[in-house]
Amino acid sequence: KAGVTQTPRYLIKTRGQQVTLSCSPISGHRSVSWYQQTPGQGLQFLFEYFSETQRNKGNFPGRFSGRQFSNSRSEMNVSTLELGDSALYLCASSLGQGDDGYTFGSGTRLTVV
Amino acid sequence: QKEVEQNSGPLSVPEGAIASLNCTYSDRGSQSFFWYRQYSGKSPELIMSIYSNGDKEDGRFTAQLNKASQYVSLLIRDSQPSDSATYLCARPRDSSYKLIFGSGTRLLVRP
Repeated sequence: KAGVTQTPRYLIKTRGQQVTLSCSPISGHRSVSWYQQTPGQGLQFLFEYFSETQRNKGNFPGRFSGRQFSNSRSEMNVSTLELGDSALYLCASSLGQGDDGYTFGSGTRLTVV
Repeated sequence: QKEVEQNSGPLSVPEGAIASLNCTYSDRGSQSFFWYRQYSGKSPELIMSIYSNGDKEDGRFTAQLNKASQYVSLLIRDSQPSDSATYLCARPRDSSYKLIFGSGTRLLVRP
């Protein structure tokens, strides 16, 4: 059974640019969550999608957005990149029933210069 | 009070010993808890889930949940150097689908 696939694995962008990250969940999983991980802040929740609908959103500025497609694949977008956006962005999928643990992808390491 | 609290460590134990990792939480309504292991430079990996009071064993791992005292722990028996990693405790926030993580405890198993 294929795991959660995130692309790209690494990304270097310049301040002010925008970036789109992609996540393909485990087959049959309808929930996709996104997290930002930095050494200082740990794992911070960005948003969660289920059946193309955003069910939860974390405390991030509007520059961070996401969407989910009918095949459950998800994308997140960060516009007007700032140096502080440099982080590991993790996608996790689950069945979406609330009490099942999430399976994480390998992550996208974003560096903003 | 943080929603999920963990001692950042590092917790250092000799090979073959029992490592005990603890996590406390603030929401009495929490019903499910998860332990993740994260190696340096890698993504978190789910190793245990626990939903009811008491112990749950899986191989060398035992999760313990005490809802009255609002803590959950992870015991690793016969610790191996390969267990050296950061262990993250997580729970869903309220009845939402948002998983809240503790800051993690770094475990070092000395050969």
